[in-house]
Amino acid sequence: EAGVAQSPRYKIIEKRQSVAFWCNPISGHATLYWYQQILGQGPKLLIQFQNNGVVDDSQLPKDRFSAERLKGVDSTLKIQPAKLEDSAVYLCASSLFPWTTVSGNTIYFGEGSWLTVV
Amino acid sequence: GENVEQHPSTLSVQEGDSAVIKCTYSDSASNYFPWYKQELGKRPQLIIDIRSNVGEKKDQRIAVTLNKTAKHFSLHITETQPEDSAVYFCAASMPPLGGGTSYGKLTFGQGTILTVHP
Repeated sequence: EAGVAQSPRYKIIEKRQSVAFWCNPISGHATLYWYQQILGQGPKLLIQFQNNGVVDDSQLPKDRFSAERLKGVDSTLKIQPAKLEDSAVYLCASSLFPWTTVSGNTIYFGEGSWLTVV
Repeated sequence: GENVEQHPSTLSVQEGDSAVIKCTYSDSASNYFPWYKQELGKRPQLIIDIRSNVGEKKDQRIAVTLNKTAKHFSLHITETQPEDSAVYFCAASMPPLGGGTSYGKLTFGQGTILTVHP
């Protein structure tokens, strides 16, 4: 089956500029996640969608980060204005259900969008 | 919230040796523990997972053990091969709490860089 698609793969911007990342989850997956992975660390959940509704955005820096999933399929993550500490890989992931504890409900990750803020 | 600690941060073994990576978690309500393998520049991929109703699970050369009392779980790789070289992440999640925002969010450890020398 097709995997989680993300674009762009790489982006270099100057601080205070804006950037947007796009994600297309696996077909039929109702749950979509955006993770931030800083070099040398594990992924950290930024926001989780169930269809087009937000179920968890507790770790999203809402003063500069925003995300939407208007039609319950594709999603965009925007950063404006970017800071140096936003340099990271932004991983999109999807799963059939929101509950990872359901047997067989694996979270599948995309290749990631690498952001460098200079 | 949940906190996951992973050790060691780096692990170097000779081909054919065994490798063990350990993780501890803080919230006794966590009941799902996946392990992800991430090769350089690639997406994290699920390699094995365990749920709290079992103490051990095996899949060919990899196994995971869970000690709920001590709140730790471990990844065991036997007969290591150079292609096992990667970053390994453990994670933990808990079931949704009364329909709130804790929709089985995965909390990741910091990662272990495993190097298998031929």
